[in-house]
Order: sequence, then C-alpha cells, then structure tokens
Amino acid sequence: AQKITQTQPGMFVQEKEAVTLDCTYDTSDQSYGLFWYKQPSSGEMIFLIYQGSYDEQNATEGRYSLNFQKARKSANLVISASQLGDSAMYFCAMRSLYGNKLVFGAGTILRVKS
Amino acid sequence: EAQVTQNPRYLITVTGKKLTVTCSQNMNHEYMSWYRQDPGLGLRQIYYSMNVEVTDKGDVPEGYKVSRKEKRNFPLILESPSPNQTSLYFCASSLRGRGINEQYFGPGTRLTVT
Repeated sequence: AQKITQTQPGMFVQEKEAVTLDCTYDTSDQSYGLFWYKQPSSGEMIFLIYQGSYDEQNATEGRYSLNFQKARKSANLVISASQLGDSAMYFCAMRSLYGNKLVFGAGTILRVKS
Repeated sequence: EAQVTQNPRYLITVTGKKLTVTCSQNMNHEYMSWYRQDPGLGLRQIYYSMNVEVTDKGDVPEGYKVSRKEKRNFPLILESPSPNQTSLYFCASSLRGRGINEQYFGPGTRLTVT
C-alpha cells in the first residue's frame, strides 16, 4: 500500500523568505510520480509541480522546487520568496505507474506573514 | 478552455434525499475519478472509471454510486445521503488510467447533509 505523510499541520513564514514543506512517502513500486497541489481558501486544487521517480534532476517550476531524496523517500516542496498569495493548504500526492489513483497526504496549512 | 466542471458547487440537503453531483470534462480523457476531502485526512478516492462503462471502487465507496455512460460525464450519486457524507467532493480526470499523468481537478462541491 502507498502512503503519504505530511508531518507539519501548519507553518508560518515571513513574506519574501523561503519555506520548506515536508513530505515523505512509502511505496514498494519502482515507478511512480510525486505531485504537489495548492488549495487556496476558495477550495480549488491547483497543480504546482511533478517529480518522476526516475528523474535525476529535482523538478522546478518558477518559485517552486521539489527537493527529491529517493533513498530517504522524501519529496519536500520548497517555495522561494514567499508571497501573501501563497497562504493556502498544500497537499503532497503520489501515483504509481500501474496505480489507479492519487494517494494524498493530510496537507499542510501555510500562512505567509507580512 | 480545457476544464473539469462540477455542479452544484454548494448543496445543503437532508438525510435520505437522493442527490446527484454532475461532473463533466472536455479534454477527451479516458480516466475519471471522485474524491472526498475531510479535515486531517486529505483526499480519498471514492470511485474511478478507466473508460466508458468501466467503473470500480476506490477506498471509500460505501453510500455512493457512479455511472459512466459517456466519456465526458461521470456523475456521483448519493441514493440516501447521511450526515457522515458531509464533505468537499472533487471530480478529477486524466488522459489515461495507467501511467503517471497529471490529474485535472474540478472546482469542488461542498455538500452538507443535515
């Protein structure tokens, strides 16, 4: 069975600073993908970034980067230069090559302070 | 515009009154799925469909039904809603059911059962 663990229920960060949101995963599959989604207070799920299990380089998308450590089974999201609009719930999720669903963590609420 | 739509966005109903939440995608995706989101639990899969007329249970299917008569539509049916089905519901779709491809989420339906 696959499992995603997000150990930080809530985080605060000062505007313009960087923040790391933790995600560890458990799977026996060799081929899988890791995803991060942002959920603002309006409720929609916004895709942020993706990392494949065989990707050698860490994924980056603008201010988002994924710190992928395969041996430790961690896929932490790093947000650089935080903005007030980054305040939201963040979900880590994974999907196996032969799986039929995304498995989600419980989420981390991020609050950016001005 | 490529999108997943859900209706209604908000619904308050009473125990036992049958309801349907519609989901439609315009991307010709084979795979569609329903999730529910509850605090502290992240998103959990209710049902999924690999293609037309092919549906299967997810992790929390009790109390729900689905159908996939057309590729674009995947309605979620609650035959006799109960208060424990009060939740935020998301429909999602992806190009294929197998493989690590991104899932696109609808805007969510907030359901309250009294």
